[in-house]
Amino acid sequence: KQEVTQIPAALSVPEGENLVLNCSFTDSAIYNLQWFRQDPGKGLTSLLLIQSSQREQTSGRLNASLDKSSGRSTLYIAASQPGDSATYLCASRVQKLVFGTGTRLLVSP
Amino acid sequence: GAVVSQHPSRVICKSGTSVKIECRSLDFQATTMFWYRQFPKQSLMLMATSNEGSKATYEQGVEKDKFLINHASLTLSTLTVTSAHPEDSSFYICSASTGTSSGNTIYFGEGSWLTVV
Repeated sequence: KQEVTQIPAALSVPEGENLVLNCSFTDSAIYNLQWFRQDPGKGLTSLLLIQSSQREQTSGRLNASLDKSSGRSTLYIAASQPGDSATYLCASRVQKLVFGTGTRLLVSP
Repeated sequence: GAVVSQHPSRVICKSGTSVKIECRSLDFQATTMFWYRQFPKQSLMLMATSNEGSKATYEQGVEKDKFLINHASLTLSTLTVTSAHPEDSSFYICSASTGTSSGNTIYFGEGSWLTVV
């Protein structure tokens, strides 16, 4: 059974810092890994999708990497802004999409 | 991009009544739809997977007679919470996939808040 863990559970940083969110998964035979953003009380916004054959994906200030062999993915956020404050979820897909527990990010002005 | 719409976004119902939540794919045909449940400050837990025209597959521990899922068309799936109780209060999110393959992209709805009083 796939288990997905995210570290840290919560993170508070001042505006402008670069930061890294970590995601680990137990079953390396994944089809893809996806990073989502969830604002309080809202649904999910897909940020980046990395296929199993890829090592990283970039979108603006966001960069996600994937290392299947070690069962890890990282989401790098450059020059963080208060608007980045949200919960970030990673999810790995084998047959099903299994979500991590999330990292709650707070970026202070 | 693909859009998945959920309705209602918020609903309050009395204990013992049933409530229906709709999930629609607006610009694509969704062969497979997924229903998730999320408790406050917790992650999403998959409840069931539904394929158009067939019975839903429920995850272990999810009562299929309590959480009725219908996927009668390629653009609509419904989740009915029957005989709702306060402990059923939660955030329910659906997602839709363009195919049955694990390589197909999954799109998420905006979620529905259910409060049972």
